Amino acid sequence: GAVVSQHPSRVICKSGTSVKIECRSLDFQATTMFWYRQFPKKSLMLMATSNEGSKATYEQGVEKDKFLINHASLTLSTLTVTSAHPEDSSFYICSAETSNYGYTFGSGTRLTVV
Amino acid sequence: GENVEQHPSTLSVQEGDSAVIKCTYSDSASNYFPWYKQELGKRPQLIIDIRSNVGEKKDQRIAVTLNKTAKHFSLHITETQPEDSAVYFCAASKQTGANNLFFGTGTRLTVIP
Repeated sequence: GAVVSQHPSRVICKSGTSVKIECRSLDFQATTMFWYRQFPKKSLMLMATSNEGSKATYEQGVEKDKFLINHASLTLSTLTVTSAHPEDSSFYICSAETSNYGYTFGSGTRLTVV
Repeated sequence: GENVEQHPSTLSVQEGDSAVIKCTYSDSASNYFPWYKQELGKRPQLIIDIRSNVGEKKDQRIAVTLNKTAKHFSLHITETQPEDSAVYFCAASKQTGANNLFFGTGTRLTVIP
C-alpha cells in the first residue's frame, strides 16, 4: 500500500517550453504532497508543499510563477515547470505523508532542457 | 527551521565490515528520523526509521540509534555486502501536522568485494 505514481520518468524539452509532472497517490488520499529537486550527487531539496484545495507553500528562493503546483484532488498533484531553461534540468521527485507518518516517494522525473 | 547534517559524505568499506553513518539535527521538536537508500536515478527507499520515544531499533543487518539529548542519530550496517553500495540519506521530521522531511546531505557508501 501507499504507492505514489509519478510521470513522466524522463522528459527532454526545448528551452522556453513548459513541462508538467504528475504525482498520483494510488491507494490512499494525500491531502499533502511535497515536491523535491535533486541535483546530481546532492541531497533532496524541498521546493514546495502542495495542499489539496489550496495554494502551495513554496520554500524560500523557489519561484512560484516558474514552478506551478496544482493539487486539485486528494490523489493528484502536478508540478509544471514553465518557460524551462537548461538550469532547470534536474531530478524532480514528489512524496506524500501517509497516515502512519511514513513518507512514500514517487519514482522521480529526470528533466533535461536543451 | 530544521538543519540536518550528515557525515561522512563518502564511505568505503570491505565486504563483511560494518558501516556507520552519523547525522545531527537542530530542532528539538523533530521526533521522526527515517533513513533512505537511493540508487542512481531512483526514488529514495526507506530502510529503517526511528521515533523519538525509542533509543535504538534493529532490522536484521541494519540498526539505528538515537540520542535525543545530543540530537544525533546513526545508521549502522553490519556484514556489508556489495549490494549495500548506494547513497544513504538521513532525514528528520516533526510528528504534528503535515511536515516535510529535512534531509541530510547524503553518504555515498561503497562496499568493496
